[in-house]
Amino acid sequence: NTKITQSPRYLILGRANKSLECEQHLGHNAMYWYKQSAEKPPELMFLYNLKQLIRNETVPSRFIPECPDSSKLLLHISAVDPEDSAVYFCASSPGAPNTGQLYFGEGSKLTVL
Amino acid sequence: QQQVRQSSQSLTVWEGETAILNCSYENSAFDYFPWYQQFPGEGPALLIAIRSVSDKKEDGRFTIFFNKREKNLSLHIKDSQPGDSATYFCAASDSNYQLIWGSGTKLIIKP
Repeated sequence: NTKITQSPRYLILGRANKSLECEQHLGHNAMYWYKQSAEKPPELMFLYNLKQLIRNETVPSRFIPECPDSSKLLLHISAVDPEDSAVYFCASSPGAPNTGQLYFGEGSKLTVL
Repeated sequence: QQQVRQSSQSLTVWEGETAILNCSYENSAFDYFPWYQQFPGEGPALLIAIRSVSDKKEDGRFTIFFNKREKNLSLHIKDSQPGDSATYFCAASDSNYQLIWGSGTKLIIKP
């Protein structure tokens, strides 16, 4: 799926700060960050619609989202914890509240040492 | 409380058979039910979906059967192939920005 690109694809961190980036080329209005741990379903972290944050799940404050424009999404992570090791997926949909038709990127795999 | 439940954590069928993956839900307000397919190392991909006003949705080898009264649905994969081996997630959404995911069923197709 090259229509939603994420970078970096792999990330190994100690207790450092890093940002994940996502860009979608689908013309969608809604963008999401999901966290997926091994053998689990994706868990919603944040949902933006038309650049407005409309869902902010219970997520540690070290995760800060940013939506600079309707096609881009960032996730700033500070002082990561080992429990943060997971794959972080960016997704988009034509619009919220129609949140069932998601298109996912390839994910950014975060490994915390 | 698990609002969307997939009864099998894993399922193995022989190539050519019909794989049947089951899902149930609790919230009557759910009105859209997508199934996502996920291969290792990739993001989930929307496979097929059904709205609560329908009882069946077919797309090629994939069919959803939906029972609103019983609050359950199933995904049938006809003529299953080794390339169908993946994890399948049942999900449900309402109009309140919610998409609730089941825990997933890992499907293995044996050649």
